Amino acid sequence: EVQLVESGGGLVQPGGSLRLSCAASGFTFRSYAMSWVRQAPGKGLEWVSAICGGCDNIYYADSVKGRFTISRDDSKNTLYLQMNSLRAEDTAVYYCAKERDSSWPYWGQGTLVTVSS
Amino acid sequence: QSALTQPASVSGSPGQSITISCTGTSSDVGRYNLVSWYQQHPGKAPRLMIYEGSKRPSGVSIRFSGSKSGNTASLTISGLQAEDEADYYCCSYAGSRIPWVFGGGTKLTVL
Repeated sequence: EVQLVESGGGLVQPGGSLRLSCAASGFTFRSYAMSWVRQAPGKGLEWVSAICGGCDNIYYADSVKGRFTISRDDSKNTLYLQMNSLRAEDTAVYYCAKERDSSWPYWGQGTLVTVSS
Repeated sequence: QSALTQPASVSGSPGQSITISCTGTSSDVGRYNLVSWYQQHPGKAPRLMIYEGSKRPSGVSIRFSGSKSGNTASLTISGLQAEDEADYYCCSYAGSRIPWVFGGGTKLTVL
């Protein structure tokens, strides 16, 4: 059974940093592209970043480019999102998702990031 | 990359059919047959309902179907049931620079 468990969310001041983790199990992690998708309170879904499986391709939404860094440790079956220079508009639930057939059939439960002073 | 356009809300009575549209451009929806649809109940993670425009994942009811015409993709739900009441989001592949774009979401109310 595929499981994705996010952690690392919390309250951080504007300009601060946070690192999210997504522990994966139930599939061959290194073989699959993974994404981070976020949802601000009461708002819609926004794709944030993606990293391919077994290759070097990394992608970011314009809203986070230069501030966020996606990475993965295939030996630990874990996906990361390093978030720097955080802004109030980054406040959201952050989901990690496993890609297959150009879609995301598997999602974690999400972790809440709140950027506020 | 602009978000795809969805109606803010749609409604229907039990047993009826409804269609949710998702309008993009010739750079995303119109160019690739890679639209997916997600159902999200309050406080829950999204659930994949349709991928590659019209394919249903295992476990998704045949009442859910997807299609595309030009720059607009559509999700049709037939035989509406109370449990279909949720938010629905479309998403399209948009090329190698910024690969994914979501729609703003549609709130489905079952009357």
